[in-house]
Amino acid sequence: EIVMTQSPATLSVSPGDRATLSCRASQSVGDDLAWYQQRPGQAPRLLIFEASTRATGIPPRFGGSGSGTDFSLTISSLQSEDLAIYFCQQYKTWPSSSFGQGSKLDI
Amino acid sequence: QMQLVQSGAEVTKPGSSVKVSCTTSGGTLSAYSFAWVRQVPGQGLEYLGGIIPISGATDFAPRISASVAITADISTNTVYLHLINVASADTAIYYCARDRTETGYDLWGQGTMVTVSS
Repeated sequence: EIVMTQSPATLSVSPGDRATLSCRASQSVGDDLAWYQQRPGQAPRLLIFEASTRATGIPPRFGGSGSGTDFSLTISSLQSEDLAIYFCQQYKTWPSSSFGQGSKLDI
Repeated sequence: QMQLVQSGAEVTKPGSSVKVSCTTSGGTLSAYSFAWVRQVPGQGLEYLGGIIPISGATDFAPRISASVAITADISTNTVYLHLINVASADTAIYYCARDRTETGYDLWGQGTMVTVSS
């Protein structure tokens, strides 16, 4: 099983800031990585797939990068609506997959 | 535009079985794969398993396959998660998601809370 580890667990930021969240895989997943946003009380929402491709309707302030074992999600010019938990997911082992434990963004 | 609509909250006793449904509206079940994801309140996401409805092929996470089954009914555009012999540790929100086959889960149901309590 590929273990996904995210950091930091919590990041405190202010509106307008830039935030960078990290995700590390226990073995290479190529670019088979997705990022999700989960706002309080809501289902997760796909932000990024193939490590750096924004999903439909996702604003350009969300950007993904990385390949192999190290990945990042960058949110530029944070807005209050970005308060959420962010999860990474590897699907190298499709149909199975695994998620990171999440990073909480405190605005 | 397709939506995934899940069945309502369940409260059940240890040792019982529970069935959670996920019905597609505005789209055909057979064109996609689907996954089930569990989230204990306040915790992270856990892949449980998935199904390709047109073939019936299923996949399960190694640690939980013995207590979970996944089926699909193409005629009603519904996928089902069957939880068997549940325990208190199975108390969680269960999500179905459309699996776009190596590009992530691009559509999610609203979640179904399953509470296991004696």
